[in-house]
Amino acid sequence: QVQLVESGGGLVKPGGSLRLSCAASGFTFSDYFMAWIRQAPGKGLEWISYISSSSSYTNYADSAKGRFTISRDNAKNSLYLQMNSLRAEDTGVYYCAKVLVSSTLFFDYWGQGILVTVSS
Amino acid sequence: EIVLTQSPATLSLSPGERVTLSCGASQSISNYLAWYQQKPGQAPRLLIFDASNRATGIPARFSGSGSGTDFTLTISSLEPEDFAVYYCQQRSSWPLSFGQGTRLEIK
Repeated sequence: QVQLVESGGGLVKPGGSLRLSCAASGFTFSDYFMAWIRQAPGKGLEWISYISSSSSYTNYADSAKGRFTISRDNAKNSLYLQMNSLRAEDTGVYYCAKVLVSSTLFFDYWGQGILVTVSS
Repeated sequence: EIVLTQSPATLSLSPGERVTLSCGASQSISNYLAWYQQKPGQAPRLLIFDASNRATGIPARFSGSGSGTDFTLTISSLEPEDFAVYYCQQRSSWPLSFGQGTRLEIK
């Protein structure tokens, strides 16, 4: 069955960096676009970034542009999010998500989420 | 940027009742809309995609309709496990966006 397992979250000071990872299994990872979506405490969902199946295309929300970098390693079935210059408003649960069909940007499988806390 | 507005913010209903949730888009998004269900402490679950197609394993009591700017999610008869927060999401244009959510509470 499809599994997405995030790791790499934790407490970081404002201005610091974190690298999130998402280990995928149960599907042909290299066939699907993938995305990161976050949820601030008690708030709604916010799309952060997506990456195409071959890494040819990436896109970012304005809140992430210039600070976050999405990447993937199809040989390792892994998705990454490098987060730099972190701010308090980046605090939340970060989900990796698989698109429903190849490049269709609806998300049918989500990881359990990983908490990122940005605080001094 | 396309803004999705969900209404109402909160609904209090009883099991067995029928409920309709609304999602309005700030501009036309054709049928490029999905609905998700999220329970406390869990990741969202895809219910409906392309406005009216049920995702794999979703019970028939969930249905979606609409196109353009006005969309609805209907649950024909509420089960206890349906009390959760529901979000709509559009993929018509960048950036992808979600509605603010409708909380469905047990009355």
